[in-house]
Amino acid sequence: NAGVMQNPRHLVRRRGQEARLRCSPMKGHSHVYWYRQLPEEGLKFMVYLQKENIIDESGMPKERFSAEFPKEGPSILRIQQVVRGDSAAYFCASSPRTSKRDTQYFGPGTRLTVL
Amino acid sequence: SQKIEQNSEALNIQEGKTATLTCNYTNYSPAYLQWYRQDPGRGPVFLLLIRENEKEKRKERLKVTFDTTLKQSLFHITASQPADSATYLCALREQTGYSSASKIIFGSGTRLSIRP
Repeated sequence: NAGVMQNPRHLVRRRGQEARLRCSPMKGHSHVYWYRQLPEEGLKFMVYLQKENIIDESGMPKERFSAEFPKEGPSILRIQQVVRGDSAAYFCASSPRTSKRDTQYFGPGTRLTVL
Repeated sequence: SQKIEQNSEALNIQEGKTATLTCNYTNYSPAYLQWYRQDPGRGPVFLLLIRENEKEKRKERLKVTFDTTLKQSLFHITASQPADSATYLCALREQTGYSSASKIIFGSGTRLSIRP
């Protein structure tokens, strides 16, 4: 059973470009979470999605950031018009639908560098 | 909203000793609290979960306690080894209006170094 997969692992963008980060949850998991981790800082919650629904996006910046989890395919975190401050590691986690423990299984992360 | 504080950014101890990490929360007591390990360049890995009605939980050399009066959890690694060197994160579920929603918030972590 493959774990949570994220790609790309490293992404370099110039200021003003778009960044698309993909996350494939573990098989059978229908809940996906995105976190951002700045250097030497903790994980900051961004958004929680179930298939085709955004459940909680209270941690998402109001502009330039969006997330989706379509019926088919991976979850996508999209950052438009990237700025240097967007440079960070972005982690995706998934959990199963019926989990009562809310244990989250994390992917290896995508490290975004904005030049 | 709930805040989590982990006692120190870094902890450096001698191999073989017991490492003790602290996690304090500021608001309501969560139904449970989790501990994760994160190695450099990797995603966090779940270690242990302790429920509010459990005082203590053990897994091999790991022990977690949960004191809802003090609003604190302690994470112990006994007989520590250099391979235990990592960042340890405490996490809890923030209450939401949705019974099935699970927004997990994390502390900033404690970086543990075990010297030989």
